Amino acid sequence: GENVEQHPSTLSVQEGDSAVIKCTYSDSASNYFPWYKQELGKRPQLIIDIRSNVGEKKDQRIAVTLNKTAKHFSLHITETQPEDSAVYFCAAVSSGSARQLTFGSGTQLTVLP
Amino acid sequence: ETGVTQTPRHLVMGMTNKKSLKCEQHLGHNAMYWYKQSAKKPLELMFVYSLEERVENNSVPSRFSPECPNSSHLFLHLHTLQPEDSALYLCASSQDLTPNYGYTFGSGTRLTVV
Repeated sequence: GENVEQHPSTLSVQEGDSAVIKCTYSDSASNYFPWYKQELGKRPQLIIDIRSNVGEKKDQRIAVTLNKTAKHFSLHITETQPEDSAVYFCAAVSSGSARQLTFGSGTQLTVLP
Repeated sequence: ETGVTQTPRHLVMGMTNKKSLKCEQHLGHNAMYWYKQSAKKPLELMFVYSLEERVENNSVPSRFSPECPNSSHLFLHLHTLQPEDSALYLCASSQDLTPNYGYTFGSGTRLTVV
C-alpha cells in the first residue's frame, strides 16, 4: 500500500515570509496528490492538488511541485499571512484497486505577525 | 456549508454505552468514508462505501460498525468503546472511488470515551 511521509511536523514563519512543506510517497504508481488545510476546530479543506502529468501548479500564493522520479511533492506558500496558520495535510492516491487517499501526518504552520 | 453534515458535533459516552454517528451528503457523490483523526497522527481510514456497498475495512475493531442505507447517508455505530477511541471522527465523500477531485469532509464528531 501507499505510505506518505510529511515534514516538518511544525513550522513557524514570520508574516510575509515563505513556507515550504514536503511529502514523500512510496507507490510509484500514485497519480494524484491533494493538499488539505485544517484550521483549528474545522474540517479539512482541499486547497490545491496536482496530477502526475504535471510538475508544478500555482494558485495565487500557493504552489505545489511534484518530482515523480524522487517521489516527493511540496507545498509552497508565499507572502504568508496570519490566516494561513493551520494544519496542512498532504495525501496521495495510488492507481491500484484500492484507490483511497493516504494522508501524511500533518504540519502545524504558525505565521507570526 | 460544504454539503457534508455530521451529527452530533460533540459526544461523550461511557464505555458501556451504545451511540451512533451520522453523516449526510447533498453533493450527489457515490463514495463515502469514515476517518479517525487522533492528535499528532495521520488521518486513519476506517471504512469506505461505494454505492452503499462496503469496499474497504481497514482492520477496524468490531466495536465500530458502519451502515450505509443509501448513497447520501452513512452511520457509524459505536458500542463498548475504549478510552483510546477518543478522537475526531470525520466523514468524507467523493464523486466515486476515483478521488481525482479530492474528498469533501464534514466537520467531524469529537468523541470522548470516559
